[in-house]
Amino acid sequence: DTAVSQTPKYLVTQMGNDKSIKCEQNLGHDTMYWYKQDSKKFLKIMFSYNNKELIINETVPNRFSPKSPDKAHLNLHINSLELGDSAVYFCASSQAEGLFFGSGTQLSVL
Amino acid sequence: GNSVTQMEGPVTLSEEAFLTINCTYTATGYPSLFWYVQYPGEGLQLLLKATKADDKGSNKGFEATYRKETTSFHLEKGSVQVSDSAVYFCASLIKAAGNKLTFGGGTRVLVKP
Repeated sequence: DTAVSQTPKYLVTQMGNDKSIKCEQNLGHDTMYWYKQDSKKFLKIMFSYNNKELIINETVPNRFSPKSPDKAHLNLHINSLELGDSAVYFCASSQAEGLFFGSGTQLSVL
Repeated sequence: GNSVTQMEGPVTLSEEAFLTINCTYTATGYPSLFWYVQYPGEGLQLLLKATKADDKGSNKGFEATYRKETTSFHLEKGSVQVSDSAVYFCASLIKAAGNKLTFGGGTRVLVKP
């Protein structure tokens, strides 16, 4: 049983397209996150939700919109994709201290 | 603000060598500290953690001690294996900051047979 699962694992798309990445956790955690990892492996938090409410929103372009239909799901929708959006996006969840990560979605914008 | 600084890699060593990866933090308050490991093509896995000063986290032969006086959380392993080749991330968490985990830049470790 995968604790934090995200789909798709790979996403290749053209500039200007709109795409979504889905994330689900079966750990019963209240808090979920989206992180972006660039080509140099640097990790930066994008969003955090607690019980479906947005609690962290870092400086992220408005083209990125998270949606949390329930506390087990946190999806990421990206409009008008740009070349610079190419990265690996990680979903994570936490209850107490420490985060559990999904295996990542590698997004390539051509 | 909160930040984490760790030594840049890559770190290349031979099997059975001693590994140290330095990590220092700045934080307002008293953070919990973590080491995560990312194997090639995979997500991050929690390796170990320490929640207060002088705590020692340990797992899979790795250890790190929370040193408040030097604001450090250096990762060590006495005898590395080829399977330890990965990217290691130091991180800090302040609960008051909404459980936001702040990562260091990652250190790539390559262990050669």
